[in-house]
Amino acid sequence: DVKVTQSSRYLVKRTGEKVFLECVQDMDHENMFWYRQDPGLGLRLIYFSYDVKMKEKGDIPEGYSVSREKKERFSLILESASTNQTSMYLCASREAGGVKQPQHFGDGTRLSIL
Amino acid sequence: AQSVTQLGSHVSVSEGALVLLRCNYSSSVPPYLFWYVQYPNQGLQLLLKYTTGATLVKGINGFEAEFKKSETSFHLTKPSAHMSDAAEYFCAVRETGNQFYFGTGTSLTVIP
Repeated sequence: DVKVTQSSRYLVKRTGEKVFLECVQDMDHENMFWYRQDPGLGLRLIYFSYDVKMKEKGDIPEGYSVSREKKERFSLILESASTNQTSMYLCASREAGGVKQPQHFGDGTRLSIL
Repeated sequence: AQSVTQLGSHVSVSEGALVLLRCNYSSSVPPYLFWYVQYPNQGLQLLLKYTTGATLVKGINGFEAEFKKSETSFHLTKPSAHMSDAAEYFCAVRETGNQFYFGTGTSLTVIP
C-alpha cells in the first residue's frame, strides 16, 4: 500500500512566521501535490511537482512556495504566514506515466495561524 | 474549463436506506473519474474510479458509480447505508495532464 506521511497532524503558528509543512511518500511516485481544504470550497490545488526540482503552480499559489529536492519529499512553505492561511493542508502523490492512476493522500495537517 | 459539481453539500439517509451522491462534470474530452471518501481527521481515500470500459464501476465498502456520458454524470450509490458510511465524499475528474479537479464535497449523515 502507498503511504503518504505528513509530518504534523496539528500545527499552530503566529502571523509572519515562516512555516514548513513536510510530506513524504514511500512508493517512488513522480508526482506530488499540495492542496488546501476549506469548508464549502473543497480541495484547491496550491502546487504540484512532476519530478525532482520540478514544480508548477496550481490554482492558489499566492503566499506559498514548495521544495522538492528528493523524490520522496515535497515541502510546502508559507513564507510569511497570515491568518487567512488557516486551513487543512493535504499532500498527495501519484504514479506518473498513466492517466488512470489515482492520487494517494496523507492524513492532512490542520494549520492554525494566530 | 474543467469543473466538477456535487449537488447537495449535505445528505442525510436512514440506516439501511439507499445512498445517492450526485456528481456532474464538464469535460471536452473523455474524462477519468474518481470518488474519494474522507473520514473525520483523515486524508482522502480512493473509493472507486472510472477510466475506460464498463461504465458501472464497483468500489470498496459496497459503493458503486455509473458513468453516463450523455448526462455528464458519475453518481455514487450504495444500496444500504451503514453508520460507518458517515463521512465526506469528493468527486474528482482528470483529463490529460497531472491535475485533478475536485468537487466541493458532500457530507453524508446516516441516521440510526
